[in-house]
Amino acid sequence: ETGVTQTPRHLVMGMTNKKSLKCEQHLGHNAMYWYKQSAKKPLELMFVYNFKEQTENNSVPSRFSPECPNSSHLFLHLHTLQPEDSALYLCASSQASGQFNEQFFGPGTRLTVL
Amino acid sequence: QQQVKQSPQSLIVQKGGISIINCAYENTAFDYFPWYQQFPGKGPALLIAIRPDVSEKKEGRFTISFNKSAKQFSLHIMDSQPGDSATYFCAATASGGYQKVTFGIGTKLQVIP
Repeated sequence: ETGVTQTPRHLVMGMTNKKSLKCEQHLGHNAMYWYKQSAKKPLELMFVYNFKEQTENNSVPSRFSPECPNSSHLFLHLHTLQPEDSALYLCASSQASGQFNEQFFGPGTRLTVL
Repeated sequence: QQQVKQSPQSLIVQKGGISIINCAYENTAFDYFPWYQQFPGKGPALLIAIRPDVSEKKEGRFTISFNKSAKQFSLHIMDSQPGDSATYFCAATASGGYQKVTFGIGTKLQVIP
């Protein structure tokens, strides 16, 4: 276990549904990340939060809405998704500083949009 | 635009052999190059990393070779074992933006007995 948990592990939703992904880290980190992992594509950074503040939005469509209520929890709210949004969504955490800090990844949520 | 090009996308190696994965980059601002290992059902985990001021870094059976002038780097897995079967990602990042890690497409390694 990496100290980063994600729920649910699997999610199937229709294009008109609203659902949320949850991530929790038990490592005392103060930076959290959402990534999208699709087959045959590099991992795509979606959002970065430092000390609960969003510091990076990598041109993500507004149908993905992140929320970071504290340094230990991160949510990704989903609404009106498209089939091409089907992917593995990974959460990660790290220390926030000016140097490279190892990012610890959770196991991901496998999302299928019908 | 794929900023870090990784090859091959899949690799089959016999137990005891050497696994080699190659990566190339274009952005000269990159100054830190981590490799990640991902097993099925798990998230990626940092395996080994290198800065461009050294040409090689070794940790156990894993070695990174770095060629700054060619903007290429590679991962060598010596004495490959079935337990090394996983997907490997090379990555790159730059000072002033270390949280923005650019990943390669990944190499699925299978080590057969």
